[in-house]
Amino acid sequence: DSGVTQTPKHLITATGQRVTLRCSPRSGDLSVYWYQQSLDQGLQFLIQYYNGEERAKGNILERFSAQQFPDLHSELNLSSLELGDSALYFCASSVGTGVSGNTIYFGEGSWLTVV
Amino acid sequence: AQKVTQAQTEISVVEKEDVTLDCVYETRDTTYYLFWYKQPPSGELVFLIRRNSFDEQNEISGRYSWNFQKSTSSFNFTITASQVVDSAVYFCALSRLSGYALNFGKGTSLLVTP
Repeated sequence: DSGVTQTPKHLITATGQRVTLRCSPRSGDLSVYWYQQSLDQGLQFLIQYYNGEERAKGNILERFSAQQFPDLHSELNLSSLELGDSALYFCASSVGTGVSGNTIYFGEGSWLTVV
Repeated sequence: AQKVTQAQTEISVVEKEDVTLDCVYETRDTTYYLFWYKQPPSGELVFLIRRNSFDEQNEISGRYSWNFQKSTSSFNFTITASQVVDSAVYFCALSRLSGYALNFGKGTSLLVTP
């Protein structure tokens, strides 16, 4: 158990809908990262927050947004969902920001199926 | 740009065999980090190792060992005396030293049969 908690574990929704994925980082970790794992694209970095501020952006679609709240939990919002958004979405956390000096621990992921 | 290639898509071995998972990377950075993660059938990503480019010393942790060779841009992972519980997808990843994102390879699916 990495200590990173993600909810829900599984989610099935229809095209065009909006969903919110939630992540609680490990105790003491200030950084939260979101990754998407799909069959065709593999594991891709989406976005990172550190202590409430966005620090880095990867291949995140405009239909997707995220935020980190004062209690350090984070939410990833996915809107106007398409079939291709079906994937496993991982949240990860680390103490500091970025890779240097930090071990990044991943949660168990949220399986999203768009039908 | 950074790129990680895990040429072995699937490997199948019999329990107690040794197995090596290959990882070749490309980067223009002179300093960087390399990682291995394990994804068992349950789906979570489990951290195994982080190695910075300054340190080419090989590392051993129990039945796991890692061979980092900067000259060939490789960071291979060997499991000695494999066990059924080692069955998983293994990912190699690369990041910039001052970066935020891990660039993952496509993964190698390892199946260990009794």
